[in-house]
This record gives sequence, structure tokens and C-alpha cells, in this order.
Amino acid sequence: EAQVTQNPRYLITVTGKKLTVTCSQNMNHEYMSWYRQDPGLGLRQIYYSMNVEVTDKGDVPEGYKVSRKEKRNFPLILESPSPNQTSLYFCASRTQAGLDGYTFGSGTRLTVV
Amino acid sequence: LAKTTQPISMDSYEGQEVNITCSHNNIATNDYITWYQQFPSQGPRFIIQGYKTKVTNEVASLFIPADRKSSTLSLPRVSLSDTAVYYCLVAFNQAGTALIFGKGTTLSVSS
Repeated sequence: EAQVTQNPRYLITVTGKKLTVTCSQNMNHEYMSWYRQDPGLGLRQIYYSMNVEVTDKGDVPEGYKVSRKEKRNFPLILESPSPNQTSLYFCASRTQAGLDGYTFGSGTRLTVV
Repeated sequence: LAKTTQPISMDSYEGQEVNITCSHNNIATNDYITWYQQFPSQGPRFIIQGYKTKVTNEVASLFIPADRKSSTLSLPRVSLSDTAVYYCLVAFNQAGTALIFGKGTTLSVSS
């Protein structure tokens, strides 16, 4: 089944403890992206990647890092999480042409205490 | 990037046709119009995408007038399971990477 897989689905962590949220897609998509969703603020793009080794900042990149060493994987790294990064995170991917839009993962609900 | 404006919420009953209109006055020549559906705590799901005139797939139709300054998502005969948030997006070009999600339209379908 064509899908974007995020792990973990739920995560509670403490301030300052580095964490990684993994994202993997099996559709050979060139583009991948990370979003966070917060009540009243909607979905906001954190980082995106146009292809392997090519990444760029979205609207809210502060406090996050990403890497794209392989086409299928696009992990989101929080080096020193803070409570304001408590949010629902989505990874998404799409083809270069984008005719069928983005495919989103099921989400990761992160709580930083 | 083109900004979109759509109603905050809409109510409907099962079996009715629902039309959600999105305004995008600053749409650029290369922009495509895309609609997504999102259920609570799930990732958005692609519904339909178009450039001009009318596009139809198995779940919805998208109407785009000649000036492309607005678009209408049409959901035929909605059911309770269509209760969700619907987002209208204008991609800055078909191969672009930036998706700007607005607040979306919360559609509530009642029996």
C-alpha cells in the first residue's frame, strides 16, 4: 500500500531531550515536507525537501532540523525540544509533477513537558 | 503566494449537495488549485486539483471560472462521514513545494 509512515504516533518527552520523528514513504516521491498543526493556527510548514540532499526552510523552521540522505526517508529532529513545540506533526510527500497532491502521514502527537 | 479565503464553517444534511467556494484573487498564471479534506487527528487527504474550467473525479467536482479568482468544490450527496475540514490551496506552481494551508472550512453534516 502506498503510504507515508511516521513514527512514533505519540511521544511525551522532557524539555531539552533530543528526539527524532521518522518519516518514510514508499512511493518514490521526490518532494517531502514536514508540517505542524496547532489549534487556531492551522497547518504550518516546517521544512521541505525537493530531493535527496536538498532541503529548505518552511514558515516555522526554528528549533527543528531535517535531513534527506535517502529518497524515502525524511526525519525531523528536535535537538532541544521546548514546550512550545508541543504539537501535532505531519509528514507529507508527493511526486515532482504533483498531479495527485501530497500524501500525508497519520501524524505524530508530541508533548514536551 | 496567493492567499485564499473560504468560509469558516458550513452546515448541511445528508443527501444534499454541498458547494464550498474559495476566493484567490492573487492567483498567478502557473498556480493550480487544490483541495484537501482533513478529519480530526488525521493527516489531510488530497481530494481534487485543477487549473481551469471543471475537473471531476469519483468524490468531487471542482469548478474554476475563466478569471480563476475563485473556485468551488462540489460534494454531491454528502453523508455523515463527509463531516471534516476542507482546505483550499493555491500552489505557486504545479511543481512547487510550498503548500500554504489556511483555516479551512469546517463542514458539518447532520442526519
